[in-house]
Amino acid sequence: ETGVTQTPRHLVMGMTNKKSLKCEQHLGHNAMYWYKQSAKKPLELMFVYSLEERVENNSVPSRFSPECPNSSHLFLHLHTLQPEDSALYLCASSQSHGGGSEKLFFGSGTQLSVL
Amino acid sequence: EDQVTQSPEALRLQEGESSSLNCSYTVSGLRGLFWYRQDPGKGPEFLFTLYSAGEEKEKERLKATLTKKESFLHITAPKPEDSATYLCAVIDNNDMRFGAGTRLTVKP
Repeated sequence: ETGVTQTPRHLVMGMTNKKSLKCEQHLGHNAMYWYKQSAKKPLELMFVYSLEERVENNSVPSRFSPECPNSSHLFLHLHTLQPEDSALYLCASSQSHGGGSEKLFFGSGTQLSVL
Repeated sequence: EDQVTQSPEALRLQEGESSSLNCSYTVSGLRGLFWYRQDPGKGPEFLFTLYSAGEEKEKERLKATLTKKESFLHITAPKPEDSATYLCAVIDNNDMRFGAGTRLTVKP
């Protein structure tokens, strides 16, 4: 089993749909993250969870709603998205958050297309 | 505003042609500079962490170096399998801030 698993790998949705992205980490880490990656742009940090508590929300629109039911699972619930939300959504985990030296382990991402 | 800038945006090399990628940063109080490799359709994969100016780390054909303002990723005698996007990142207020990456293509 790979370290960080994301499903689905690809998702096409209309602007009125509701869908969820799932992330599971098998590394025993205490911190999980959602990043957005658009073409030719730096990765954008969306949400940070540490020990299942949200510690950061970087001004993300409310049409994105995260959920962290336990330290191994992370969800991103999507509703009424816009075409500009089309991107690769990456989940990552690290041993802890805030120590300043923890490397991130990434999943393969969900390629989202909003029509 | 703190930022991370990578250059060039894209680099095409012939197999065996050595070169360097640059990452310049403007963050107060560097707590770590990270290099990642990203293959198409996959998430970034960790390569190196550097903590202080003068530090160097090597892995196969890759060597990362760090100064007070920038880091270089040197690629010696690259092979086609080194083709990927290379990302650098720094810690900024407990969070990892990424550059836009350098897309490296190595032709046989």
